[in-house]
Amino acid sequence: AQSVAQPEDQVNVAEGNPLTVKCTYSVSGNPYLFWYVQYPNRGLQFLLKYITGDNLVKGSYGFEAEFNKSQTSFHLKKPSALVSDSALYFCAVEGVGRSFGNEKLTFGTGTRLTIIP
Amino acid sequence: NAGVTQTPKFQVLKTGQSMTLQCAQDMNHNSMYWYRQDPGMGLRLIYYSASEGTTDKGEVPNGYNVSRLNKREFSLRLESAAPSQTSVYFCATDRGSDTQYFGPGTRLTVL
Repeated sequence: AQSVAQPEDQVNVAEGNPLTVKCTYSVSGNPYLFWYVQYPNRGLQFLLKYITGDNLVKGSYGFEAEFNKSQTSFHLKKPSALVSDSALYFCAVEGVGRSFGNEKLTFGTGTRLTIIP
Repeated sequence: NAGVTQTPKFQVLKTGQSMTLQCAQDMNHNSMYWYRQDPGMGLRLIYYSASEGTTDKGEVPNGYNVSRLNKREFSLRLESAAPSQTSVYFCATDRGSDTQYFGPGTRLTVL
């Protein structure tokens, strides 16, 4: 079965510093990888995705993520954190070639990012 | 263009009561999903619908039923609510593969 691990429940970063939110995955075959963000009392919003191609993916709000196949990782990064980046971040994986009845999108448990002014 | 809407936003039930959570989308997507979100557990798939007229179980379907009324609407029913069903419920849609779009959620408390 496919799975996603977000090893840090909480990440604190000073405003203006670079940030990294970690994600590792396990899936049969090639993965589709996603990052979503959730602000308080809201649904999840799509940030970025990796399907194929360039390992460095750029997304919304200045975020980017690097797909590393050998380390089965898809860490989320931003060069300079803003207080408004404070939110709950979810990594998700789906196996390529999956069909309904097989593996669906699997989410990690989330990482709460707090940017300290 | 409202995207994905859910009603109600909040609900309190007593154990044994029933209710239906409603979800509607105006994105013309084929696939729709119901998730529950619990602290420390991320999102877990309850049921999904690949297209109008089809539904299938996800990871945690027990205690729930669904109806895909038409392409736009996908409802989740709790026939006899239990305290373990206290959670935040999210509806989502996609085109069948790719990015999912989420509704704002329903916060349900079962006493």
